[in-house]
Amino acid sequence: KAGVTQTPRYLIKTRGQQVTLSCSPISGHRSVSWYQQTPGQGLQFLFEYFSETQRNKGNFPGRFSGRQFSNSRSEMNVSTLELGDSALYLCASTGLYNEQFFGPGTRLTVL
Amino acid sequence: AQSVTQLGSHVSVSEGALVLLRCNYSSSVPPYLFWYVQYPNQGLQLLLKYTTGATLVKGINGFEAEFKKSETSFHLTKPSAHMSDAAEYFCAVDSNDYKLSFGAGTTVTVRA
Repeated sequence: KAGVTQTPRYLIKTRGQQVTLSCSPISGHRSVSWYQQTPGQGLQFLFEYFSETQRNKGNFPGRFSGRQFSNSRSEMNVSTLELGDSALYLCASTGLYNEQFFGPGTRLTVL
Repeated sequence: AQSVTQLGSHVSVSEGALVLLRCNYSSSVPPYLFWYVQYPNQGLQLLLKYTTGATLVKGINGFEAEFKKSETSFHLTKPSAHMSDAAEYFCAVDSNDYKLSFGAGTTVTVRA
């Protein structure tokens, strides 16, 4: 089975812009989660989707949003980018025993 | 809310020596527990998981971990370190709320 794929792998944006990141889960997995990883805050949960419904959301401002499509692919969007949004954004899909399988991440740099 | 504590942000071991990474958690419900490894510029790779049943779980690359409910611990070990084990390791907890809570991570360096 192919693993979790994320596109793009790298992004450079300027403050105030918006960005959309994409994630394709492992075939057959219906749950997709997103995490932000920074040196200062570590790994923080953003949100989780299952069958196009958001089931849980982390402590992030409303500028961070996501959605899931009927084929389980997911996107996350960050509007009005700030310098502090620079991070590695990781997507994961969930297997049978709640284990999460991660993609390679999207490295976002905000200038 | 659950929290995960990894004791020691950096661990240095000699090649061939025991690797021991400590993880303690707090959870109001029986958790699922995981260890992940992250190599530079990569995502997280699942090393092993505890869901139910046997408390000693074996994972990939010779790693194993023991779930001790009384101590709320899930320490990771490997009997003999290899140079390729140099990476950052994360302990994570899922308390059945559709998310993982991660520890701060432990960076392992392996000395030749």
